[in-house]
Amino acid sequence: RKEVEQDPGPFNVPEGATVAFNCTYSNSASQSFFWYRQDCRKEPKLLMSVYSSGNEDGRFTAQLNRASQYISLLIRDSKLSDSATYLCVVLTFNTDKLIFGTGTRLQVFP
Amino acid sequence: DTEVTQTPKHLVMGMTNKKSLKCEQHMGHRAMYWYKQKAKKPPELMFVYSYEKLSINESVPSRFSPECPNSSLLNLHLHALQPEDSALYLCASSLAPAGGGDTQYFGPGTRLTVL
Repeated sequence: RKEVEQDPGPFNVPEGATVAFNCTYSNSASQSFFWYRQDCRKEPKLLMSVYSSGNEDGRFTAQLNRASQYISLLIRDSKLSDSATYLCVVLTFNTDKLIFGTGTRLQVFP
Repeated sequence: DTEVTQTPKHLVMGMTNKKSLKCEQHMGHRAMYWYKQKAKKPPELMFVYSYEKLSINESVPSRFSPECPNSSLLNLHLHALQPEDSALYLCASSLAPAGGGDTQYFGPGTRLTVL
């Protein structure tokens, strides 16, 4: 079983739609959680950290459920510019090693 | 400013060549990382430097040799590579090493092609 699992997609949604991505992780010692986005042939860029209480940044909402070892990302009012691959990333306590999910590809169409 | 810079952007090399990838950050970060990313795959960690000392080597072949000359610079020396080593090589840095949980910021990467 992979340490971090994501639905690879692709998710094809129209502009203005709401889309949700899920991610599960297997190591209960995982400490920090992030969503990165990666555009084609570019580097990953931090979208947001994920906190236990859930957090929101504009149209983006991230949730963490430690009991179920589950992370989610909700994107409201999708824009064309949201088209990218979204990487769920987990950092285990007392290591420097980011564990990446395989990424979920989002394509927003007009 | 959360900028990590990498040079060169693109590199084509033969299997007998020796080349180096360079990474620089001026954010005062104390941990720096090399990742390798193949097409349609997530980044895979290669090396971690913590306070300029190598702290993690993910069983990377010796044809890849990292070097951290100072706290702002990270190099990756390449020698006798194979075509399957062609990939995007990403450098990243974070403020605190050793599981501090700090965000890692990535550079734009060097796209390497080995002929």
